[in-house]
Amino acid sequence: DGGITQSPKYLFRKEGQNVTLSCEQNLNHDAMYWYRQDPGQGLRLIYYSQIVNDFQKGDIAEGYSVSREKKESFPLTVTSAQKNPTAFYLCATRTGGTYEQYFGPGTRLTVT
Amino acid sequence: GENVEQHPSTLSVQEGDSAVIKCTYSDSASNYFPWYKQELGKRPQLIIDIRSNVGEKKDQRIAVTLNKTAKHFSLHITETQPEDSAVYFCAASRYSSASKIIFGSGTRLSIRP
Repeated sequence: DGGITQSPKYLFRKEGQNVTLSCEQNLNHDAMYWYRQDPGQGLRLIYYSQIVNDFQKGDIAEGYSVSREKKESFPLTVTSAQKNPTAFYLCATRTGGTYEQYFGPGTRLTVT
Repeated sequence: GENVEQHPSTLSVQEGDSAVIKCTYSDSASNYFPWYKQELGKRPQLIIDIRSNVGEKKDQRIAVTLNKTAKHFSLHITETQPEDSAVYFCAASRYSSASKIIFGSGTRLSIRP
């Protein structure tokens, strides 16, 4: 999990603005995921990608968009259509060998 | 859709006692069951996992049991210590990097001194 970076750690935005969260990995893992975590809650899947140029919606994709142009990168855009964007966002990757999932350090987004 | 239920949502045990967290899953094709520990403000960390071809796995003070017939699995922590205090998540998935991992809602474990 040390090979997954998310930046920035804290992000503040005004309501109505789009914001892009970065996720980069050097683990050479094919699969990448974005989760949202609200205080005291579990992990909810936003989007996931198995290979470059391909991604699937998770359980709460509305108001979010992603791209997967490179194997190493899977940025998440939180659009103004997302009604309650304030949350802790976690990026993860998954190996093709043991199938373990590794998490990045997360980005805490606050929208006011 | 696929679902994982986790109980209890909070658990408080005396230091040195054992803690047990239980999960049930709905997708009968699930064959990979990881457990994650998340400390406050930090990322989830994998602590143990089990595949459907075994019924039990142990790693020092942590053990996981799986009952595929009943579709439930449990995490057992023995001789609990203060550093075990955290939120624990169970999850279920098909054994494929292309599959989603479905998480339980989490258990907040507190260890009383």
